[in-house]
Amino acid sequence: ETGVTQTPRHLVMGMTNKKSLKCEQHLGHNAMYWYKQSAKKPLELMFVYSLEERVENNSVPSRFSPECPNSSHLFLHLHTLQPEDSALYLCASSQVVYTDTQYFGPGTRLTVL
Amino acid sequence: AQSVTQPDIHITVSEGASLELRCNYSYGATPYLFWYVQSPGQGLQLLLKYFSGDTLVQGIKGFEAEFKRSQSSFNLRKPSVHWSDAAEYFCAVGASGNEKLTFGTGTRLTIIP
Repeated sequence: ETGVTQTPRHLVMGMTNKKSLKCEQHLGHNAMYWYKQSAKKPLELMFVYSLEERVENNSVPSRFSPECPNSSHLFLHLHTLQPEDSALYLCASSQVVYTDTQYFGPGTRLTVL
Repeated sequence: AQSVTQPDIHITVSEGASLELRCNYSYGATPYLFWYVQSPGQGLQLLLKYFSGDTLVQGIKGFEAEFKRSQSSFNLRKPSVHWSDAAEYFCAVGASGNEKLTFGTGTRLTIIP
């Protein structure tokens, strides 16, 4: 595998479910990001990790919980989501946080029923 | 804080015709500028970037962009589009230091035969 991978690619969940999104980067980068992409809205930065330490939590509701166990893996744990949380969730990584080029994964299309 | 404007929501171009997608930014110092492309159901792929130096930047897939400080613009161009160029294009601006990447709302490109 090369680049940034995300699993699953599609996820349908009920409002009471708990699920997790997984991101893995194979680029040797030190920073990882979660973005939310909704229709007709700019990309929204959710969380940023640098060297496994969270450096940004962009006023994201607590029903989204990130985890970065090492510099190659990033998770987004989901629980008691709302229908408006349905979106494409994109993971990205970069060598240096913020100031370097970000490389994106293919995204997870999340539908909350 | 920086901002990005992509004034064209949707552009339709004939195959083989030239293309220019507009991007205007607002930032006090020299920005880092990016163009990404997103095909349906996919993540964002980097087309090109400008950090410093030559203001005309060459990217992948035959795209180029020119940084014009006086106009606060970073327009994307391609001399002859192919049907496979149909996608959504995003301009983004970053900066040195702990400044997150700010994305425009995107321009959807349709190619007609």
